[in-house]
Amino acid sequence: DQQVKQNSPSLSVQEGRISILNCDYTNSMFDYFLWYKKYPAEGPTFLISISSIKDKNEDGRFTVFLNKSAKHLSLHIVPSQPGDSAVYFCAASSNSGGSNYKLTFGKGTLLTVNP
Amino acid sequence: NAGVTQTPKFRILKIGQSMTLQCTQDMNHNYMYWYRQDPGMGLKLIYYSVGAGITDKGEVPNGYNVSRSTTEDFPLRLELAAPSQTSVYFCASSTPMNTEAFFGQGTRLTVV
Repeated sequence: DQQVKQNSPSLSVQEGRISILNCDYTNSMFDYFLWYKKYPAEGPTFLISISSIKDKNEDGRFTVFLNKSAKHLSLHIVPSQPGDSAVYFCAASSNSGGSNYKLTFGKGTLLTVNP
Repeated sequence: NAGVTQTPKFRILKIGQSMTLQCTQDMNHNYMYWYRQDPGMGLKLIYYSVGAGITDKGEVPNGYNVSRSTTEDFPLRLELAAPSQTSVYFCASSTPMNTEAFFGQGTRLTVV
């Protein structure tokens, strides 16, 4: 029973174009969402997050959008660069019952940015 | 500025052997976690700790044990290795607000 779903295992885009990575969740108790980036043979690194009280958070080339009614979030990377090629994980947590420290991860989406 | 350090980076175990995966962090984080990542899958939480002396089970704890005697260290113990434990293991730490978790580089474990 996947509570966080990334339905696209891979995505390929041209350098300079927009990359859009999608994530859906089923647990309505989730109220904090994060995106992690992972290069081969390295641990995941935090990229950007969003609280459920917001619908958008922006950090440089990275923007995360949250649609609570649809239980959907997306990560936009503009413009995409070859160095952005990595696996991107969506993660979610719930502050309910003090369990906000446990992250539930999606399976990841492999982004390839072609020069 | 080490962050989260895991050792070893690679290990091959025979079925039934035991080993301890080491994890240490120098950020004075209260919260520490062990995740495993199987091929094509997301990270699954094995065990976590909210402070020294306190540990609790995550989503997939069977076959593992942990201890947290200090804030810095959170070792993961495999007592009787099984092929199903072949995976990449990640240790992480965070502050109580969990605005982000910092991950180690991972330990790739193969059980044959």
